[in-house]
Amino acid sequence: AQTVTQSQPEMSVQEAETVTLSCTYDTSENNYYLFWYKQPPSRQMILVIRQEAYKQQNATENRFSVNFQKAAKSFSLKISDSQLGDTAMYFCAFITGANNLFFGTGTRLTVIP
Amino acid sequence: DTGVSQDPRHKITKRGQNVTFRCDPISEHNRLYWYRQTLGQGPEFLTYFQNEAQLEKSRLLSDRFSAERPKGSFSTLEIQRTEQGDSAMYLCASSLSGEFGGSTHEQYFGPGTRLTVT
Repeated sequence: AQTVTQSQPEMSVQEAETVTLSCTYDTSENNYYLFWYKQPPSRQMILVIRQEAYKQQNATENRFSVNFQKAAKSFSLKISDSQLGDTAMYFCAFITGANNLFFGTGTRLTVIP
Repeated sequence: DTGVSQDPRHKITKRGQNVTFRCDPISEHNRLYWYRQTLGQGPEFLTYFQNEAQLEKSRLLSDRFSAERPKGSFSTLEIQRTEQGDSAMYLCASSLSGEFGGSTHEQYFGPGTRLTVT
């Protein structure tokens, strides 16, 4: 079965601080891509960061970075220097050769001024 | 081209009526996906097209649901005889495909159509 688990339904962080969102997944495939998507309130889903499973180096996009542990099937997102605009639902997802994305249930992040 | 667009953004219908949603993908993208998102959940895959061919359908896509992409550009999702359980956000996404490992597999989402069945 292809599953994604996000064990933190809600999190909060002070502006300018760092926060880490957790994600674990399960797949029997060896080749896949992992993603974090952001869904701001009443706005559309935006791709935050992508990680190829065959790459050992963790992906980084400006203030966003991941910690990818393939053996543990773990894919956490670190947001540095949190900004008010980071307030959103964050979804972890992966795609295999089946070509459709499998999503977790999301983590609601609130950045506190 | 400014991204994936969906129409309408909101639809309220009575149980038993038929509804149709439209999605216009990013123009150069050959793959188009439909997802359903209910409150407090992540999106769930419904179906996807490569060009005009519908290549995969989820078990969630009952026989009341039909999707088309007649010319490999825009797509429509129709729900017949709507039920209250169909109330959800219907999301469309598009991507540019290649051989696995030859594309980024990044899917770009539209704003969604929120369906309320009364």
